[in-house]
Amino acid sequence: GAGVSQSPSNKVTEKGKDVELRCDPISGHTALYWYRQSLGQGLEFLIYFQGNSAPDKSGLPSDRFSAERTGGSVSTLTIQRTQQEDSAVYLCASSSGGHGYTFGSGTRLTVV
Amino acid sequence: AQSVTQLGSHVSVSEGALVLLRCNYSSSVPPYLFWYVQYPNQGLQLLLKYTSAATLVKGINGFEAEFKKSETSFHLTKPSAHMSDAAEYFCAVSYTGANSKLTFGKGITLSVRP
Repeated sequence: GAGVSQSPSNKVTEKGKDVELRCDPISGHTALYWYRQSLGQGLEFLIYFQGNSAPDKSGLPSDRFSAERTGGSVSTLTIQRTQQEDSAVYLCASSSGGHGYTFGSGTRLTVV
Repeated sequence: AQSVTQLGSHVSVSEGALVLLRCNYSSSVPPYLFWYVQYPNQGLQLLLKYTSAATLVKGINGFEAEFKKSETSFHLTKPSAHMSDAAEYFCAVSYTGANSKLTFGKGITLSVRP
């Protein structure tokens, strides 16, 4: 597609439920990143994919967080047993190997 | 480890005035440096990037930044602020090129007074 697409744009979930956040990167972009943006924490790196593998998942905050990428394209970030501190905007970005990424508009997750 | 410092959280300027947003980095190897802008309820948009070519980098919307190795700085400037420049601005650094994670500063909110 023309840009990085994320869905849903907003998600409200009850504490303890699982959520899945989706990212469609720009076609042909081999690198894909997930970041989390929350008040007081700024932008935190979560995980990086090169193709379907994740050589750097050092930013995942706990084992409740996981991500996968299939076909070198779509990625899903899953948060199990959501907690209120998981409330944030989750941003996805992709890159073709040039310098700098293209970001999606993000998914705003609210855990109530 | 690499890091980015953006002093202050908020800058307010009058329309037509100079915009100066400061960014200092810490990196043990030559860095790649970026400025991103985020408008309300939107993702981040790349303004400009330094990748070891010219030290004065021109970006979109009239912004530019100068890489100063001796000062470990990459400050963002615009000669004349416009109301539409009101947004949050993030400086970021990476080490080894594009497929390396970006480390972001905390961001600075720019307000423009009429």
